[in-house]
Amino acid sequence: AQSVTQPDIHITVSEGASLELRCNYSYGATPYLFWYVQSPGQGLQLLLKYFSGDTLVQGIKGFEAEFKRSQSSFNLRKPSVHWSDAAEYFCAVSSGNTPLVFGKGTRLSVIA
Amino acid sequence: NAGVTQTPKFQVLKTGQSMTLQCAQDMNHEYMSWYRQDPGMGLRLIHYSVGAGITDQGEVPNGYNVSRSTTEDFPLRLLSAAPSQTSVYFCASSYSPLVTDTQYFGPGTRLTVL
Repeated sequence: AQSVTQPDIHITVSEGASLELRCNYSYGATPYLFWYVQSPGQGLQLLLKYFSGDTLVQGIKGFEAEFKRSQSSFNLRKPSVHWSDAAEYFCAVSSGNTPLVFGKGTRLSVIA
Repeated sequence: NAGVTQTPKFQVLKTGQSMTLQCAQDMNHEYMSWYRQDPGMGLRLIHYSVGAGITDQGEVPNGYNVSRSTTEDFPLRLLSAAPSQTSVYFCASSYSPLVTDTQYFGPGTRLTVL
């Protein structure tokens, strides 16, 4: 069965600073990987996804993520954080034939 | 095009009461699902449906029933609410069950069981 670990429960960054949110997955074959964002009081919105091919994927809102098979990781990055990026971020994995399995989330706070 | 809608937004129940959380989508999506979100637990799948008349259990189905009589609607029923069901519930839909199809989430229903 697949599983996802997001090691950081809460991260605080300054506006304009770079961001990296960590995600590690457990799955024997090539996984389908996703990052979702949840703004306060809202549902989840897909940021980006990786299925195959180029291991660096670009998403919406200036986010990108890199798939590293050797490290079983799919970390989310943004070069310069904006105050509006404050939200909760979820990494998710699937085998392709199974429903998404979500991580427990990382809450991002942005300070001036 | 309203996307995925959920009603109510908030609900307070007493232990043992029953209720139905409504979910509707107007995108003609075949796949619909229900998740619950608890602090520090992420989202966990309750039930899902790959089309009208077809439903299946997810990771945490106990205490919940679903039905899918139409493509548009996928209600979630709590037959006898328990405090452990206090949570935020999200409905999601996608064109097909394939994970390559983007899932769209509703705004959620915050349920408190006293």
